[in-house]
Amino acid sequence: NAGVTQTPKFQVLKTGQSMTLQCAQDMNHEYMSWYRQDPGMGLRLIHYSVGAGITDQGEVPNGYNVSRSTTEDFPLRLLSAAPSQTSVYFCASSYPAARGEQFFGPGTRLTVL
Amino acid sequence: ELKVEQNPLFLSMQEGKNYTIYCNYSTTSDRLYWYRQDPGKSLESLFVLLSNGAVKQEGRLMASLDTKARLSTLHITAAVHDLSATYFCAVDWVWTSGSRLTFGEGTQLTVNP
Repeated sequence: NAGVTQTPKFQVLKTGQSMTLQCAQDMNHEYMSWYRQDPGMGLRLIHYSVGAGITDQGEVPNGYNVSRSTTEDFPLRLLSAAPSQTSVYFCASSYPAARGEQFFGPGTRLTVL
Repeated sequence: ELKVEQNPLFLSMQEGKNYTIYCNYSTTSDRLYWYRQDPGKSLESLFVLLSNGAVKQEGRLMASLDTKARLSTLHITAAVHDLSATYFCAVDWVWTSGSRLTFGEGTQLTVNP
């Protein structure tokens, strides 16, 4: 099992550009989530999904969109990047849905200029 | 709103010494996680605490959970340099459409020879 994978590992964007951070898992986990990590603030939940076709907002959803068309994939879209979105982004998954231990991907380091 | 507070946020200790990291949270929960993060890396699961009075031990680390006091502790015994990392607690609480993890700010531990 590859576990939770994320691409790209690093990305630099200009303000206003859009991009999609990819997240995939091969563990058949129902629950997937996206976090951002900023210095001194721990991890904050952006969006999460309890299964294919179902998504919901976390603590800091503004500026981000998600969709969940398959169990395996949970992409995070930045529609118009802003410098405030400079952060490290982690994707996580767990099983059974909603209350299992979460396993984290390697992260994507994003810089918005 | 759930708040999770860790203290201390920074901890510098000598090898061989003992210390405890505290994790307080503001809302009822019966499930708490401890994670370790090395610089530039992802989060590694250390402990899953599932009920009041739960105690888990792995090597020089021991975690406990008191749900009545809304407190978890991570105790370090006879610290060694390899334990240098940032440690996060995360509280799992039930939301309307699933459960969510709320993280503490993290405790940056440095173990000096």
